[in-house]
Amino acid sequence: ELKVEQNPLFLSMQEGKNYTIYCNYSTTSDRLYWYRQDPGKSLESLFVLLSNGAVKQEGRLMASLDTKARLSTLHITAAVHDLSATYFCAVDPRGGTSYGKLTFGQGTILTVHP
Amino acid sequence: DTGVSQNPRHKITKRGQNVTFRCDPISEHNRLYWYRQTLGQGPEFLTYFQNEAQLEKSRLLSDRFSAERPKGSFSTLEIQRTEQGDSAMYLCASSRDLYGYTFGSGTRLTVV
Repeated sequence: ELKVEQNPLFLSMQEGKNYTIYCNYSTTSDRLYWYRQDPGKSLESLFVLLSNGAVKQEGRLMASLDTKARLSTLHITAAVHDLSATYFCAVDPRGGTSYGKLTFGQGTILTVHP
Repeated sequence: DTGVSQNPRHKITKRGQNVTFRCDPISEHNRLYWYRQTLGQGPEFLTYFQNEAQLEKSRLLSDRFSAERPKGSFSTLEIQRTEQGDSAMYLCASSRDLYGYTFGSGTRLTVV
């Protein structure tokens, strides 16, 4: 059974600081997704990582994927209050009828304060 | 492209009642997924349709749960004899290929 673990689960950051959220997963996959969720809202797609070594950046967020280590990172640069939200990684397992079934991590609750 | 639409947004029901949720996917998306999210957790996969065929169901989907997607368009998720443990956010997502998933705003169910 695929397991996806994020850490930290809670992250309190000062504005302007940098930090990294880690996402480890237990079985082979070359498809990983990062989502943002605001309280009471649905999931907003941030990044889709489809190959080993993939790196994508959007504004203050950068995501990378190392399929050999089964690890993805979401790096936050110079945090601002608007980034406060819950961040999820999700893995799409490879092969057979499992395609298209995402397994999510527990989520990282990010709070950015002055 | 109006996105994935879910109705109702909120539903409060008494234990033992039946409820039905609807999901309208993005029109050109042939794949449709249902997930359940409880407070403080990530979404958990429930079931998946490709066109009108239900191809996979999670063990979470007990026999009180049934999902349909007639004619490969909208989908409904019905829960019979609701229990307090069914209280959650029910999310629908759709995709055209195997890479991009668009989630709806969800239906929040509260069973009292």
